[in-house]
Parts: sequence; structure tokens; C-alpha cells
Amino acid sequence: DIQMTQSPSSLSASVGDRVTITCRASQSIGNYLNWYQQKPGKAPKLLIYAASTLQSGVPSRFSGSGSGTDFTLTISSLQPEDFATYYCQQSYNTPRTFGQGTRLEIK
Amino acid sequence: EVQVVESGGGLVQPGGSLRLSCAASGFSFSSYSMNWVRQAPGKGLEWVSYISSGSTTIHYADSVKGRFTISRDNAKNSLYLQMNSLRDEDTAVYYCARNLMVYAIGYFDLWGRGTLVTVSS
Repeated sequence: DIQMTQSPSSLSASVGDRVTITCRASQSIGNYLNWYQQKPGKAPKLLIYAASTLQSGVPSRFSGSGSGTDFTLTISSLQPEDFATYYCQQSYNTPRTFGQGTRLEIK
Repeated sequence: EVQVVESGGGLVQPGGSLRLSCAASGFSFSSYSMNWVRQAPGKGLEWVSYISSGSTTIHYADSVKGRFTISRDNAKNSLYLQMNSLRDEDTAVYYCARNLMVYAIGYFDLWGRGTLVTVSS
């Protein structure tokens, strides 16, 4: 199975900050990498697929980059509604593994 | 409205069985492959199972293989997860998620609100 490792596991930031979350795969996965946002008590929401393609309706302050084994999710200017947990997921093969999550908290 | 809605969760004893359902509406259900994803209390996301649009391809996580069975009824726009020999560690919110493919890259673009399964004596 491909292991997905996110860093940091948690992060405190302020509104307006630029934030970067990293996801590393245990083997090369090309650009088969997706990012999801989850708020407490809610279902996950797709943000980015294929490493860098923004899902329709997602604000442009979210961006993704990377290929191979190293990927990043960047939020250019944090908004109050962005405080949530973020997960990366590989779709290179089965099982579709997720990272452990990065909890983004208000400083 | 495009949505999927899970049902069938509840409290079950270890070793027991439960059948989850996911009702799809607002889109052509028969054209999409589907997944079940679960989340134990306070934990991260774990993919559980996948079924192709015509049920010809099915995959399971090792943790549920031999105990869970995924199926679908395209005429009823419904997805199912039959869960047998349940264990404490199967306690989780179970999400139904639509699978989309772009240039062979799959992702889960539509999620339900989930249904809670609690395995406890």
C-alpha cells in the first residue's frame, strides 16, 4: 500500500496568513493526488484533484502543486471559513489511501 | 439537487451484521463508480470499498475484505454495503462518495453526510 504522510499534523495561523501543507507519498504517484477539506461534523469536500486542478466552486486562494512523491496545498490568505482539517489522498492505485490529516486552527 | 444520502447505521453487537444504503439523486447514478469511506471517532479518513458503474469491478480494503460486500442497484439509484462479522474497530461514520475520473485520475467529488455505525456490546 502507498503511505501518505502529511506535515504538519496541526497548524495554528491567523486570518490573512499564507499557509502551506505538505503531503509525501511513499512511492512516486505522478500527479494522482487529491486534497479534501473537512469541517467538524461535516462530510469531506473536494478542493483539488490531479495535484493542481481546482475543483469548481473552490476559491482561488487554494492552490496545489507537486508531482512524484512531494505535494503541497497552499492557502494564500486564510479566511475564517478555512479553519478545518485537510487531507491528501492518492488515486494512483488501490487501496486509495489518505494522509493522516492536518488540523488548521485559529491562532 | 445532486446528492447522496446514507442510511442504515446504528448500534450493533460485535459479530453482528448491518446493511448500509446510499440513495443517489440529481445525477445519472448508473454512469458513475462509487465508494464507501469511513471515519472512526476522532480519526482520519479510511477508504473501504469501490464498485464500478456496472458492478464489474469491485475492490476492498484489507481491513474489511471477506466481511463486507459492496453492491448497487442502478434501477433504484442505490449503493449498498453489507457488513458482517462486525468488530469494535468498525465503529465509524460511513460515507458514500461518488467517483469521478479525469484523464484516468480518480477523485471523490460528491459525498453524503454519513451514517454512524457503532459496534459495541
